[in-house]
Amino acid sequence: AQSVTQPDIHITVSEGASLELRCNYSYGATPYLFWYVQSPGQGLQLLLKYFSGDTLVQGIKGFEAEFKRSQSSFNLRKPSVHWSDAAEYFCAVAPTGGFKTIFGAGTRLFVKA
Amino acid sequence: DVKVTQSSRYLVKRTGEKVFLECVQDMDHENMFWYRQDPGLGLRLIYFSYDVKMKEKGDIPEGYSVSREKKERFSLILESASTNQTSMYLCASRGDGDTIYFGEGSWLTVV
Repeated sequence: AQSVTQPDIHITVSEGASLELRCNYSYGATPYLFWYVQSPGQGLQLLLKYFSGDTLVQGIKGFEAEFKRSQSSFNLRKPSVHWSDAAEYFCAVAPTGGFKTIFGAGTRLFVKA
Repeated sequence: DVKVTQSSRYLVKRTGEKVFLECVQDMDHENMFWYRQDPGLGLRLIYFSYDVKMKEKGDIPEGYSVSREKKERFSLILESASTNQTSMYLCASRGDGDTIYFGEGSWLTVV
């Protein structure tokens, strides 16, 4: 069965420190891959997406993610976290041409001063 | 800019009431979705629609129905609201390349 795993329920980092949020997926072929961010009380906003080609993708707000086929992973990174990055982050996979996008359970990021 | 609008941000309804959650998108997308979000459970798909008047059940359709009479509008209906339907409801539409665009969410409390 297709699934998305975000192993960390929450992560705390200091402002200015680097960040990596983990995402692993289980799927037969290479799906489309996404990262979304949700600020408190808001809907989800797309940070970046991978469809094909270069395995390192750049997104908004200084985020990037790397697709590693051998590890079935799509980890999100940011070199220097800002207090405004505190939010919940969701990894998602979508079968090419299918209807059901599958979301991970989310990782809540806390940023300390 | 892509826009998905959920008309009601915060609602309080009584048990047994019929509840309508409305969603409108302005991107001419064919696919629209309703998700429910609960702490620790992530997003769960309730229903989706791939065309006008066409709908499919998602993972948790029980207690819900939907209506898609026009391409831009997708409504979620709770026929008889119950307290276990207290949640945040997210509408979304899907564009090119399977990217999903979300509305801001509707917080529903059933008392």
